[in-house]
Amino acid sequence: KAGVTQTPRYLIKTRGQQVTLSCSPISGHRSVSWYQQTPGQGLQFLFEYFSETQRNKGNFPGRFSGRQFSNSRSEMNVSTLELGDSALYLCASSHRPSYTDEQFFGPGTRLTVL
Amino acid sequence: GQQLNQSPQSMFIQEGEDVSMNCTSSSIFNTWLWYKQDPGEGPVLLIALYKAGELTSNGRLTAQFGITRKDSFLNISASIPSDVGIYFCAGRRGNAGNMLTFGGGTRLMVKP
Repeated sequence: KAGVTQTPRYLIKTRGQQVTLSCSPISGHRSVSWYQQTPGQGLQFLFEYFSETQRNKGNFPGRFSGRQFSNSRSEMNVSTLELGDSALYLCASSHRPSYTDEQFFGPGTRLTVL
Repeated sequence: GQQLNQSPQSMFIQEGEDVSMNCTSSSIFNTWLWYKQDPGEGPVLLIALYKAGELTSNGRLTAQFGITRKDSFLNISASIPSDVGIYFCAGRRGNAGNMLTFGGGTRLMVKP
């Protein structure tokens, strides 16, 4: 069974641009969560989607948005990029948002903002 | 952002040594998880704990869910070189869906 895939793996953008990252969950998984990982702030929850609906949102500005499609694939978008948005963006999937249903992480997209 | 307090931040290991790390929080969590992350990869789940007081093993790894539900511990016995990496604890509240709160990580390195 294929794992969580994220594209692209690496991305370089400049300040003010916008970016879209993609995540394909494990087959059969319908819940997708996004996390930002930086050396300073560590791993922080961005948002969670299940059945095309956002269920939870972390403490990030409105420049960060996401969506989920009917095939459970998910995208996240960051508009008006800032230098501080440079990070590893991780996607995780599970069957459903349940406290006994564990998440599997993808390899991440490394975003560098210049 | 909010994080769990994970310690130590880093430690050197020698092959064969036992390793311990822990995670504490001021809040209660319903689930405690331990992940390992290797360079260039996403975190990989090692152990999941669902009940206060629960002690669970996965090979040489043993983790415990603190009885106060505010802490967790991970022990690695007889460490081997491939144990090197960053270990993260994560907690999840009962009404938080899949939203995880992570510790700052413990970096295991090999003694020169």
